[in-house]
Amino acid sequence: DGGITQSPKYLFRKEGQNVTLSCEQNLNHDAMYWYRQDPGQGLRLIYYSQIVNDFQKGDIAEGYSVSREKKESFPLTVTSAQKNPTAFYLCASRTTARGSNEQYFGPGTRLTVT
Amino acid sequence: EDQVTQSPEALRLQEGESSSLNCSYTVSGLRGLFWYRQDPGKGPEFLFTLYSAGEEKEKERLKATLTKKESFLHITAPKPEDSATYLCAVQANNDMRFGAGTRLTVKP
Repeated sequence: DGGITQSPKYLFRKEGQNVTLSCEQNLNHDAMYWYRQDPGQGLRLIYYSQIVNDFQKGDIAEGYSVSREKKESFPLTVTSAQKNPTAFYLCASRTTARGSNEQYFGPGTRLTVT
Repeated sequence: EDQVTQSPEALRLQEGESSSLNCSYTVSGLRGLFWYRQDPGKGPEFLFTLYSAGEEKEKERLKATLTKKESFLHITAPKPEDSATYLCAVQANNDMRFGAGTRLTVKP
């Protein structure tokens, strides 16, 4: 089955610890994205990558880091510098073929930092 | 700055009671408007893409329309299983801007 997987579904961390969220896709998509979702707000873009070994900051990149060493994988690290890390994190991917702009989402990871 | 505003924030309908959700946007160089459905605790599920004013797309009880400034998601004779949050997003350049969503509840 083709799709996007995120793990774990729930993650709990103590303040001051870095944590890495996994995102894997087997859709052969070139572009991958990380969003953060908070209650009552639209999804906000953290980082995106259009191609392996390249990525760009989104609107709220501070306190986060990413890597794109493989086409299938785009892990997100939430560092201790992120002031309000508790949120629902969504990974998405998209083909860069002409005529197809929609993004497809994974199931999400809910991170709670106390 | 690109903006997407969805209304209402929440909508409660009786089963069979048709209605519409609104998504108004300001963006330079629209490359697509997207509708997603999101169930609680899950990732958004893609529904439709609209590219130009006048375009319409349909899927079961849902119909999406697009003008130069807004899009509507019409729900005809909804059922309880249509209860979800519906997200609208617009694409300009390389990123997508999302609205805050409309939380739809359909009561039997």
